[in-house]
Amino acid sequence: QVHLQESGPGLVKSSETLSLTCDVSGYSISSGFFWGWIRQPPGKGPEWIGSMVHSGTAYFNSALKSRATISIDTSKNQFSLTLRSVTAADTAVYFCGRLFGGDYVAYWGRGTLVTVSS
Amino acid sequence: QSALTQPPSASGSPGQSVTISCTGTSSDVGGYDHVSWYQHRPGQAPKLMIFDVANRPSGVPDRFSGSKSGNTASLTVSGLQADDEADYYCSSYGGSNNMVFGGGTKVTVL
Repeated sequence: QVHLQESGPGLVKSSETLSLTCDVSGYSISSGFFWGWIRQPPGKGPEWIGSMVHSGTAYFNSALKSRATISIDTSKNQFSLTLRSVTAADTAVYFCGRLFGGDYVAYWGRGTLVTVSS
Repeated sequence: QSALTQPPSASGSPGQSVTISCTGTSSDVGGYDHVSWYQHRPGQAPKLMIFDVANRPSGVPDRFSGSKSGNTASLTVSGLQADDEADYYCSSYGGSNNMVFGGGTKVTVL
């Protein structure tokens, strides 16, 4: 069974950089599929942030493309999200997942709450 | 505001059916047969219930079914059980490997 677990700081200061890591078990990232991030602001629906194939090609939500980076470390079987210049609007529960292209998220992590403080 | 529109709540008694709608545009729901549905219980990882409009992953009961007509997709839960109480989200392929989500529907079992 594929298992994903998010980790990272729960509090980030405004204008700084948010960094999260997703540890994957039960499947080798280098074997395929898309690996990506989704966030859900309090009281709102989820928002797709971006996805990356193990080969390195990445796709991003156009609203976040200029601030977001996704990287994959196949040696650790994990992938990461970096979001620069955060504001209060970036406060959300951040989920990592294994995606089938832009079609669906087959497996999700439980999510981690990140709060942006002023 | 989410890209796809869902009713905020739906409810039904045990054994009844409930249907949740998910309305998008011709650029997402109406343009592709790539609508999926997720069940999310508090504190748990969201779970894929339906993909590609009407397909169920292994292990999802056949009480869950999906359909689509034009720019609106629907999830029907038949034979409601207490365990079905959760938030349900739809998503759709939006082109260029992009995904868009709905705002979510809270299903209550009365």
